[in-house]
This record gives sequence, structure tokens and C-alpha cells, in this order.
Amino acid sequence: DAGVTQSPTHLIKTRGQQVTLRCSPKSGHDTVSWYQQALGQGPQFIFQYYEEEERQRGNFPDRFSGHQFPNYSSELNVNALLLGDSALYLCASSFGLAGVQETQYFGPGTRLLVL
Amino acid sequence: SQQGEEDPQALSIQEGENATMNCSYKTSINNLQWYRQNSGRGLVHLILIRSNEREKHSGRLRVTLDTSKKSSSLLITASRAADTASYFCATRTSGSRLTFGEGTQLTVNP
Repeated sequence: DAGVTQSPTHLIKTRGQQVTLRCSPKSGHDTVSWYQQALGQGPQFIFQYYEEEERQRGNFPDRFSGHQFPNYSSELNVNALLLGDSALYLCASSFGLAGVQETQYFGPGTRLLVL
Repeated sequence: SQQGEEDPQALSIQEGENATMNCSYKTSINNLQWYRQNSGRGLVHLILIRSNEREKHSGRLRVTLDTSKKSSSLLITASRAADTASYFCATRTSGSRLTFGEGTQLTVNP
């Protein structure tokens, strides 16, 4: 039973470029959440996708966008990269939206460095 | 902004000792969860405690929750070098988004 997978593991970009990160949820899960973790800090919620729609969004600018595909996998896109976007990007999957007790399972993350 | 605040920020102990980490939060919650992170890698879920529970155990882990004080503690008993990691508390309020604290860096010396 595969857990949450993310690609790529590492990425280096320059300011102003665009980046796409990918996530495949744990088998049986249909909800994907994205988090940004700056060095030395806790993860911060970016947004969540369920049934191919963005359901919740954290305090992130429109440069951050996403998509969920029919197979529940998801992409995170960041446009016009800034130095401050350098971080570990974590994907988490869970089942459904209504179960408030549901545990989220995290992938290994994608480390993005913006130069 | 971060919902939770962990205390202490860093903790260094000897193998075999107990480690206690505390977490405070600001708003009403559905549940509180603790996660471990090794060297900036992915988060591993440790334990979940619901808002109507006061204490929960899982192996060497013991979590308490005091909703009146909006605080939680994580106790790791008989620590091992392999427990060296960052530990985060995360609260779940509306929907299923998690709000994390800043974390406690635990170092267990052999």
C-alpha cells in the first residue's frame, strides 16, 4: 500500500520563474492538502482540494494555485517565484471532508530553492 | 499565523530519560495532533486526541489535553537516540486544515 508520494524531491529555480510540484495521495484517499514549511518553522496551510475543487485556502497570494485530477492526484503551481518561496512543500492526504477526526498522512516533501 | 506554540523550542536529554513537550493554542478545536519530523523530511503522525478526551496513550507516548487552558503536552518515556527529531502539535478546527506550532527540537544523547 503506497503512501503519499511527491515529485520532484528537490528543485532549484530563479526569481520570476514558475514551478509545478506534484503529489499522489495514499491509496483510498480523495482529499489533498498542501503546506509550506520555511526553514525552522512549522508547516503553514496553503490550500486543500476535494472532488477537483479548492475547498479551503490559507493566507497565500494568488501566485499559488493548484489542481486536482480525477485520480485524486494534485499539483501545486507557484508563479513569479520570490526568494521567500524557498521552503519545503508538503502534501498531505486524507479521506473526505466531513470526518473531522481524520488523520492526514504526509509525503516526504519537495524542497524548493529560489535563487 | 501559527495557532500553536510549543515549549520548549529545544530540549536535550540523555537516553532513557523522559521528554516532555508542551503546546498552547488560541481557538476552540476539534482535535489536536502531534507529529514528528526527522531532519526536514516529511511529517509522521504520532497521536490524535479529541477535544472531549483528556489523556491518551500510544506505546511510549502519552498526550494530555486541557481545553480550559488551551494546552496539551506530549510525554515520551524511556527516550532513545532514534527519538531525536522535531515535534509539532497541530490543531484541527473548521474543515480539515491543520494549524501547526513552531515545533520543539528534541535531541536524545546516547
